[in-house]
Amino acid sequence: SAVISQKPSRDICQRGTSLTIQCQVDSQVTMMFWYRQQPGQSLTLIATANQGSEATYESGFVIDKFPISRPNLTFSTLTVSNMSPEDSSIYLCSVGGTDNTGELFFGEGSRLTVL
Amino acid sequence: GNSVTQMEGPVTLSEEAFLTINCTYTATGYPSLFWYVQYPGEGLQLLLKATKADDKGSNKGFEATYRKETTSFHLEKGSVQVSDSAVYFCALANFGNEKLTFGTGTRLTIIP
Repeated sequence: SAVISQKPSRDICQRGTSLTIQCQVDSQVTMMFWYRQQPGQSLTLIATANQGSEATYESGFVIDKFPISRPNLTFSTLTVSNMSPEDSSIYLCSVGGTDNTGELFFGEGSRLTVL
Repeated sequence: GNSVTQMEGPVTLSEEAFLTINCTYTATGYPSLFWYVQYPGEGLQLLLKATKADDKGSNKGFEATYRKETTSFHLEKGSVQVSDSAVYFCALANFGNEKLTFGTGTRLTIIP
């Protein structure tokens, strides 16, 4: 299994500002995934981050709003830009397992509240 | 496309009661199936998984059997504890594809 650390664990932000979430993994991984969990809702995949290439965004998510960096095989960042109260969510970083079953390991999440 | 339909919550049970949380899925091919758990204030943890038909995943007293004929993966526990209070997510992934499709989650509360 992988150990995933996310920072910040929570933050309260003002409307119109941007916040960058960091994700550190204890082993090298090819793909990292960013999910959003809106209050009381399930998880929605935002994008897949591959090292050395641009992130692949899911329908409804765009790079200008959620820019992602993937500078090496153990680290990624997700920025939530120009935040509004609708961006209040838990943002989770995840990586795949090594057994090719589709299992994912998740960080503890970053809980953002936008006022 | 893939989809997961999960029992609506919230579910409230007394300690030592029997638990079933229903999960059915739609997918192409032969997906892997998962139950994840999210305890209050924490991230998601894998609870159990099954990768082929008739496999039974089990962990911490929870069980789920991969039923291809009914496209189901219901979560069961014979005697729940207060510490089982959490949100439970059913999920699937196609072989070789690390994108998980999640159900809507079921909030479980166990009262002493």
